Amino acid sequence: GEDVEQSLFLSVREGDSSVINCTYTDSSSTYLYWYKQEPGAGLQLLTYIFSNMDMKQDQRLTVLLNKKDKHLSLRIADTQTGDSAIYFCAEGSGGYQKVTFGTGTKLQVIP
Amino acid sequence: DGGITQSPKYLFRKEGQNVTLSCEQNLNHDAMYWYRQDPGQGLRLIYYSQIVNDFQKGDIAEGYSVSREKKESFPLTVTSAQKNPTAFYLCAVQRLQGGELFFGEGSRLTVL
Repeated sequence: GEDVEQSLFLSVREGDSSVINCTYTDSSSTYLYWYKQEPGAGLQLLTYIFSNMDMKQDQRLTVLLNKKDKHLSLRIADTQTGDSAIYFCAEGSGGYQKVTFGTGTKLQVIP
Repeated sequence: DGGITQSPKYLFRKEGQNVTLSCEQNLNHDAMYWYRQDPGQGLRLIYYSQIVNDFQKGDIAEGYSVSREKKESFPLTVTSAQKNPTAFYLCAVQRLQGGELFFGEGSRLTVL
C-alpha cells in the first residue's frame, strides 16, 4: 500500500529557515499536501502541489517536488515561534482521492 | 474549519461502553472521513463515505461502526470491541472530485 515517511522532529532558531522533508511511495499520486496541526486542534491545509509541478511558492512557504525520487519538501522562511506545530505531509491518489498521511514532523522554534 | 463540527471535544468512557462521536458539515461536500491519531503514528483511516447510505472500511475499521443517513452527518461509534480506543479522532470532508481534505477540530476520547 501507499506509504508516506517523515522525520519526527525538527528544531530551528527563530528567524532561520525550516525545511521539512517527506518521501512517498505511490507513483500515481496526483496531489501532495502539507498540513499544520497546532496542539489539540484539527489539521489545517497549508499548501498543496499537483504532481506535474516542481515548485510552488506561497509567501513564506516553498514546496519542492522531486517526482523521480518521490521526495517532497516544505521550506518555511523566517520561521517564527507561531510556526511551532506538527506538520503533516500527505499524498492523494485514486478516483476519490483517498489521502495517506505521514507520521508528522514536530517543529520546535527556539526564540 | 468552521464548516465542520465535531462533538464532543472531550469524552471519557468506561471500559465496555459504546460511545458515538458526531461529525456534521455544512460545506455540501460528498465525501466524509474518520481518522484516528496516536502520538508518533500520524493519521490512520477508520472509515470513509462517498455518498449517502454507503461507506467503506479504512485501514483500522475493527471495533468501529459508522452510518451515513444524511449528507451532512457521519457519526462514528467506538464499540466495546475496540481494544485500545483512547485516541484523538478527526473527521474530514472532501469534494467528490478530490482535492484537499477539510478537518474538524477533533474529539479526544479517553477510556478510564
